[in-house]
Amino acid sequence: AQSVTQLDSQVPVFEEAPVELRCNYSSSVSVYLFWYVQYPNQGLQLLLKYLSGSTLVESINGFEAEFNKSQTSFHLRKPSVHISDTAEYFCAVSSSGGYNKLIFGAGTRLAVHP
Amino acid sequence: DVKVTQSSRYLVKRTGEKVFLECVQDMDHENMFWYRQDPGLGLRLIYFSYDVKMKEKGDIPEGYSVSREKKERFSLILESASTNQTSMYLCASSNPGQPQHFGDGTRLSIL
Repeated sequence: AQSVTQLDSQVPVFEEAPVELRCNYSSSVSVYLFWYVQYPNQGLQLLLKYLSGSTLVESINGFEAEFNKSQTSFHLRKPSVHISDTAEYFCAVSSSGGYNKLIFGAGTRLAVHP
Repeated sequence: DVKVTQSSRYLVKRTGEKVFLECVQDMDHENMFWYRQDPGLGLRLIYFSYDVKMKEKGDIPEGYSVSREKKERFSLILESASTNQTSMYLCASSNPGQPQHFGDGTRLSIL
């Protein structure tokens, strides 16, 4: 069975500071990895994904994540956050075969303060 | 852009009622999913469908059923609503090997 652990339920940070949201997974098969973001009163939006190839993946708004197979991690980082990054972030895993069933972590609430 | 539309943003129902949540996607995706989202638990899969009239149980199917009569529409049914089904419900769709796209969610309250 697969599982995802997001190690921090809340991360407060000041504007323009760097941030790391941690995600560890367990799986006995090859995986796809995702980060989704949820702004207040909205559904989830895909932030970035790892399907294959380069282990470092980037989003268009400055976030990046690195797939580390040996540590079974997929941490999300941003070197300088903005107020508008305040949201809940979910890490998710699916097996590389099958029906794309996603297993989600419990979420990390990022609060950016001025 | 992919559009996943959930019919209601907010819904209030009474215990024992039969409740229908509707979801429509416009990108001809094969797979559709229903999740519920609860604080501290993330999203948990209720049911999914990989083709018309096909369905598979997710991790928490008890108390729910689904219907997929057309490719673009996936309905979640609460046969007899109970207060512990008060939650945010999210629908998603995708093609195999591709990321899931989500609707804006339905916040359901059972009184």
